[in-house]
Amino acid sequence: QSVLTQPPSVSGAPGQRVTISCTGSSSNIGTGYDVHWYQQLPGTAPKLLIYGNINRPSGVPDRFSGSKSGTSASLAITGLQAEDEADYYCQSYDSSLSVVFGGGTKLTVL
Amino acid sequence: EVQLVQSGAEVKKPGESLKISCKGSGYSFTTYGIGWVRQMPGKGLEWMGIIYPGDSDTRYSPSFQGQVTISSDKSINTAYLQWSSLKASDTAVYYCARRGDTFWSLDPWGQGTLVTVSS
Repeated sequence: QSVLTQPPSVSGAPGQRVTISCTGSSSNIGTGYDVHWYQQLPGTAPKLLIYGNINRPSGVPDRFSGSKSGTSASLAITGLQAEDEADYYCQSYDSSLSVVFGGGTKLTVL
Repeated sequence: EVQLVQSGAEVKKPGESLKISCKGSGYSFTTYGIGWVRQMPGKGLEWMGIIYPGDSDTRYSPSFQGQVTISSDKSINTAYLQWSSLKASDTAVYYCARRGDTFWSLDPWGQGTLVTVSS
């Protein structure tokens, strides 16, 4: 049972917009800790996609965006492409003094 | 280019010991923490702990405290994850990742080390 809750799967057709939610609690996201997002393509290591709730590292397309409100955060992907098919994880920090991850969301491009 | 390169895949028997490595390059190794993350087959990411090579300060996730040891050797820009007695349930891919300087994000990640424990 992950500390942060994500939907197990989402799907969308090419060109569409999808969102992935990440729900925490008052001991992590709700306390003000930042949320970060990672993309894990099949058979590869995770890659940082969004940091500090809304920031994109250099090289990440602006089709990816993040937001945060209260005890939740969201990752939005617009103009969905086949290459976006991957697992996505949110991550934050908890007042138990530990990094916490979401359980991951498998994105399928139809 | 900032890079973390991990040691190769390992196959071990239950009860054996193991130490895997993560070598950093392209940045000041002592300035950033190196974290370790477990991914069991077909499962999600689990935080294990972090070491700050500058002063060797180490923090473990409660789930992994006492189960593994995280260490580093700043003279060769390398962090380590070790087990004294492996179990079959330790079979997983283990990733190292550099902690951000301002944010608690992880970037970049090593390529991962597959550890298989089987009799």
